[in-house]
Amino acid sequence: KQEVTQIPAALSVPEGENLVLNCSFTDSAIYNLQWFRQDPGKGLTSLLLIQSSQREQTSGRLNASLDKSSGRSTLYIAASQPGDSATYLCAFYAGNNRKLIWGLGTSLAVNP
Amino acid sequence: DGGITQSPKYLFRKEGQNVTLSCEQNLNHDAMYWYRQDPGQGLRLIYYSQIVNDFQKGDIAEGYSVSREKKESFPLTVTSAQKNPTAFYLCASTPGQGAHGYTFGSGTRLTVV
Repeated sequence: KQEVTQIPAALSVPEGENLVLNCSFTDSAIYNLQWFRQDPGKGLTSLLLIQSSQREQTSGRLNASLDKSSGRSTLYIAASQPGDSATYLCAFYAGNNRKLIWGLGTSLAVNP
Repeated sequence: DGGITQSPKYLFRKEGQNVTLSCEQNLNHDAMYWYRQDPGQGLRLIYYSQIVNDFQKGDIAEGYSVSREKKESFPLTVTSAQKNPTAFYLCASTPGQGAHGYTFGSGTRLTVV
């Protein structure tokens, strides 16, 4: 069974900290992995997409890595800000079943 | 700017009533998807469409119906057969089969009254 686990489920940090969100997946034959942000009551915003042939992607203060052999991806947020407070979801796409497999998310609170 | 528009933002359904959620995209994407989000659960796929006039059931299609008459539009009807429809509904699209990443709309919150 294809599964995604996100740890921790919730995280509260003071402003300015560097932090790491973890995503583990069970299928090494993934096509790509995508990180999303969701604000309360809102839709999903795509943050980073990592293809299976890539090791990492960067966008501003965000860096996402992918290690297929260990079944892990990490989202690194540098110099966190209160505006980063949201739920962060990871999902991998396995081409054989044509759908995304979702984690439950990490709820992040960055305190001023 | 290209994107996905979902409407309405909030929708209230009475018992035994069918309601339709709208999803429109101007990204020229071939594939469109409907997901349901409930607290404490991962997103679950309701229906998806890879091409106009064709669609497939996802994991929780019972009580829902869709149509894909135009590339830009993928409306979802929540029928009276769906016994627990209160949830947050998200529409998404991809250029192909998901290899290039998903784009999501802002969602519709449906509540049974």
